[in-house]
Amino acid sequence: AQTVTQSQPEMSVQEAETVTLSCTYDTSESDYYLFWYKQPPSRQMILVIRQEAYKQQNATENRFSVNFQKAAKSFSLKISDSQLGDAAMYFCAYRRNTDKLIFGTGTRLQVFP
Amino acid sequence: SAVISQKPSRDICQRGTSLTIQCQVDSQVTMMFWYRQQPGQSLTLIATANQGSEATYESGFVIDKFPISRPNLTFSTLTVSNMSPEDSSIYLCSVEGSSRNTEAFFGQGTRLTVV
Repeated sequence: AQTVTQSQPEMSVQEAETVTLSCTYDTSESDYYLFWYKQPPSRQMILVIRQEAYKQQNATENRFSVNFQKAAKSFSLKISDSQLGDAAMYFCAYRRNTDKLIFGTGTRLQVFP
Repeated sequence: SAVISQKPSRDICQRGTSLTIQCQVDSQVTMMFWYRQQPGQSLTLIATANQGSEATYESGFVIDKFPISRPNLTFSTLTVSNMSPEDSSIYLCSVEGSSRNTEAFFGQGTRLTVV
């Protein structure tokens, strides 16, 4: 069965600095999708970034980028120039084709001014 | 993208009662998903709701406790039955984009407290 592991329950970063959130997953599949979702106190789940496993190039969305290591089954999220609004729970998620999303346990990110 | 309206946003209920949560999508979707997020924890899929067929429940969730309706392609309800304090959670409705590599879209969630 596929599993997603986030080993950092909490992380903190100073405003304008860079932080990296870790995620590892376990699968025997070769074709799948990986996502990072943000959940602020409003509870709304917001997609931050996604990565298709067949793409070697790491996805980037403005200040957010990933380090996708397929062989190592690692999918970390780097947030550059951190802002106060980045404070939230961050969930890593895996999906194979149109199967259900499998979420990690989450990392709470605090941003200090 | 899809816009999802979920109601109520929060409720406080007495144990032994039931609460029905509604999820309305602004476009037709094949599958709708219901998740539970217990305090401080991750999202766990309760069931997948397809229009015109019985919902598919994940291990640990049963229809008697969490009956789901899916009367059309834009609407679904989840009922939490015979509630106990252990049912206090956030319940989220979700749909997926039209192609397989698009993300899931979520409602705002319902924060349920059972007293």
